[in-house]
Amino acid sequence: DVKVTQSSRYLVKRTGEKVFLECVQDMDHENMFWYRQDPGLGLRLIYFSYDVKMKEKGDIPEGYSVSREKKERFSLILESASTNQTSMYLCASRHRANNQPQHFGDGTRLSIL
Amino acid sequence: AQSVTQLDSQVPVFEEAPVELRCNYSSSVSVYLFWYVQYPNQGLQLLLKYLSGSTLVESINGFEAEFNKSQTSFHLRKPSVHISDTAEYFCAVSPTGANNLFFGTGTRLTVIP
Repeated sequence: DVKVTQSSRYLVKRTGEKVFLECVQDMDHENMFWYRQDPGLGLRLIYFSYDVKMKEKGDIPEGYSVSREKKERFSLILESASTNQTSMYLCASRHRANNQPQHFGDGTRLSIL
Repeated sequence: AQSVTQLDSQVPVFEEAPVELRCNYSSSVSVYLFWYVQYPNQGLQLLLKYLSGSTLVESINGFEAEFNKSQTSFHLRKPSVHISDTAEYFCAVSPTGANNLFFGTGTRLTVIP
């Protein structure tokens, strides 16, 4: 089975802090994704990466950046956290063929105070 | 442009009753279709997928979905629900040639004893 591991289940940070969310997958998938999930809005794509050091903006990239130095790891960075970034963050990975499903981690519930 | 519509945000249903969760999509290209389930405090798990071939697809826990190309729908059904089916269900579309998934806003299914 594919395993996607997010480093924290719950995280509390303060406004203005730099926040790192880490995601690791063990299936040698080329594609990795970061979403945020908010009630009534479903999942919205923040960034995705289709290869090491490659990234593309999703629908809501403002206030976020990403890093993919190794194939198995995809990091989401909040450069200066704000309260409107309080949300559930979900990481996913997928084989490059787009008829393959995405596999999700358990999510990180991030609260910015 | 692609979009996915799940018209019902919440569906309450009594145990052992049938249920249908609706999903409609719009896309200018052909698509692959997925249903995901999210149990409380967990990430999304793949429930079933339609890639090609038979328009009726089934999951191991009794759910099924039918792809209707003319109506651009992919509704999810179960003839008899259990308490353990209480969860949020997301429909997702992957247009051919695209890297990412487009999600609906989710339907919260609550099974009442």
